[in-house]
Amino acid sequence: KAGVTQTPRYLIKTRGQQVTLSCSPISGHRSVSWYQQTPGQGLQFLFEYFSETQRNKGNFPGRFSGRQFSNSRSEMNVSTLELGDSALYLCASSLGYPRHGGEDEQYFGPGTRLTVT
Amino acid sequence: AQSVTQLDSHVSVSEGTPVLLRCNYSSSYSPSLFWYVQHPNKGLQLLLKYTSAATLVKGINGFEAEFKKSETSFHLTKPSAHMSDAAEYFCVVIDFSGGYNKLIFGAGTRLAVHP
Repeated sequence: KAGVTQTPRYLIKTRGQQVTLSCSPISGHRSVSWYQQTPGQGLQFLFEYFSETQRNKGNFPGRFSGRQFSNSRSEMNVSTLELGDSALYLCASSLGYPRHGGEDEQYFGPGTRLTVT
Repeated sequence: AQSVTQLDSHVSVSEGTPVLLRCNYSSSYSPSLFWYVQHPNKGLQLLLKYTSAATLVKGINGFEAEFKKSETSFHLTKPSAHMSDAAEYFCVVIDFSGGYNKLIFGAGTRLAVHP
């Protein structure tokens, strides 16, 4: 079974530009979550999509947005890029609902490293 | 609110010696806890998880963790370190307050393994 894939793996943008990152979940998974990883703030939850709807959201400004398509693939967009947006952006996919009363295990992709200059 | 605190930002061990990575948690309900590992330029891999079954949890690559409610701890151990264990390790708790999974990460512990 193929894992979570993210494209592109590396990206360099200039302040003020916008960027779109893509995530393809594991086949059969309906939930995609996005996380930002920086040396200063660590790993922080951005948002989660399930069946094309945003179901959960972290504490990030409105410049960060996302969407999910009917095939569960997800994109996240960052507009008006700032230097502080330089980070590794990770997506994780899961079934989207607990199995057997347990938690819903998330599987991570390799990430997209965004550098803003 | 759910949170985890990793007590060491860096741990250095010699190959073949035991590994101990410490994590304390705070939770308003019975927690679901995980340890993830991240190798350089790689994504996160699940090592093990605790979901209120056995308090001693065994994971991949010889790692295990013990859930201790009285100490609010979930420390990760391995009897004998291998060079390939050098990586960053994250203790994670699930926040269910939004209705569904949201992972809350600790700050991470960077493990160095010396020959």
